[in-house]
Amino acid sequence: EPEVTQTPSHQVTQMGQEVILRCVPISNHLYFYWYRQILGQKVEFLVSFYNNEISEKSEIFDDQFSVERPDGSNFTLKIRSTKLEDSAMYFCASSSSGGWGYTQYFGPGTRLTVL
Amino acid sequence: GENVEQHPSTLSVQEGDSAVIKCTYSDSASNYFPWYKQELGKRPQLIIDIRSNVGEKKDQRIAVTLNKTAKHFSLHITETQPEDSAVYFCAEYTGGFKTIFGAGTRLFVKA
Repeated sequence: EPEVTQTPSHQVTQMGQEVILRCVPISNHLYFYWYRQILGQKVEFLVSFYNNEISEKSEIFDDQFSVERPDGSNFTLKIRSTKLEDSAMYFCASSSSGGWGYTQYFGPGTRLTVL
Repeated sequence: GENVEQHPSTLSVQEGDSAVIKCTYSDSASNYFPWYKQELGKRPQLIIDIRSNVGEKKDQRIAVTLNKTAKHFSLHITETQPEDSAVYFCAEYTGGFKTIFGAGTRLFVKA
């Protein structure tokens, strides 16, 4: 069964550094998402992406964040200047449809630790 | 604003008993309500979902009910087993390619 994959599984960085988190969505999916989950808390929506542009973003997704689909398979989340509070698990997800009754499939996550 | 309230935050049941988790949403335009199970250190996994044109859906031991008028939906797990122990999240899809999650319910099933 096809799965969403993410790399790396764990990223440690210094405050102020840039990080890029990578995701490979399921191959025939067209809609892509990033979520974050601070340890012990709920899953929070960051951004959705379709047809090479952002469809929706949350208040968390400020100017420090950006997303890109650099080629036909990867979907990336960049944090330009990391803060301590960016430490969280970041999940990528994809779906075949963005409309009525879609199902999102989550990747295994990247644990980001900002020191 | 968009918000999903989920109760209870923790639920402890005896193996074989039923578990019920309730959620309330605020956006009347929401039309899709998935439920996710998350085991420790793992990704959220979809376990059941319901669309707004349906009042109830069942899949083996799991069922979900939706009351659009009251804007609430519930997850029912019957004949609970220890492997059902996990955190369960309800969510609403607002139609703007955005999914809002509830705060989660930590379910403990005691053998």
